[in-house]
Amino acid sequence: NAGVTQTPKFQVLKTGQSMTLQCAQDMNHNSMYWYRQDPGMGLRLIYYSASEGTTDKGEVPNGYNVSRLNKREFSLRLESAAPSQTSVYFCASSKTGAAETQYFGPGTRLLVL
Amino acid sequence: DAKTTQPNSMESNEEEPVHLPCNHSTISGTDYIHWYRQLPSQGPEYVIHGLTSNVNNRMASLAIAEDRKSSTLILHRATLRDAAVYYCILWSSNTGKLIFGQGTTLQVKP
Repeated sequence: NAGVTQTPKFQVLKTGQSMTLQCAQDMNHNSMYWYRQDPGMGLRLIYYSASEGTTDKGEVPNGYNVSRLNKREFSLRLESAAPSQTSVYFCASSKTGAAETQYFGPGTRLLVL
Repeated sequence: DAKTTQPNSMESNEEEPVHLPCNHSTISGTDYIHWYRQLPSQGPEYVIHGLTSNVNNRMASLAIAEDRKSSTLILHRATLRDAAVYYCILWSSNTGKLIFGQGTTLQVKP
């Protein structure tokens, strides 16, 4: 089992460029999440998907879109990247809601110039 | 959303117990108390969670105050690999979300 995988590991973008961060889990989990972590800070929830076919906003959804492609995959899209979106992005999954253990991926480091 | 308060940093000696405190005075009756830790350059890792009763697992113990307004994560014998940021988080069944604070940075000295 690979657990939660994220691609790419690292990306540099110019302001205004778009990109999609990919996340996949092989644990047959229903719920998936996207977080961002700025330097010296805790994680903040961007979007989550409680089950296949549903998505909901978290604390900081502005500037992002998500797609729950199937049960395994949950992608995060930046349509027009801004320097304020420079951060480390973590994907996580859990069996049901967050009362269950969340399993995190290794993260994607994004730098927007 | 209910908030948690943790010390910014703590130090411990290797092989000694560590008690990491967390205050959550506005906790509601259905909020679960979760602890995660984050090693340098890694994603967070689940440690333990509980609702009302104390909990033990292979990694740690969680002691929850009777009024649930505070809790303590106990690492029984700290090792150098336990050096990490420890997050005390409340999960609300109303919102279904984990809200991370800034956590406690634990340093373990040999």
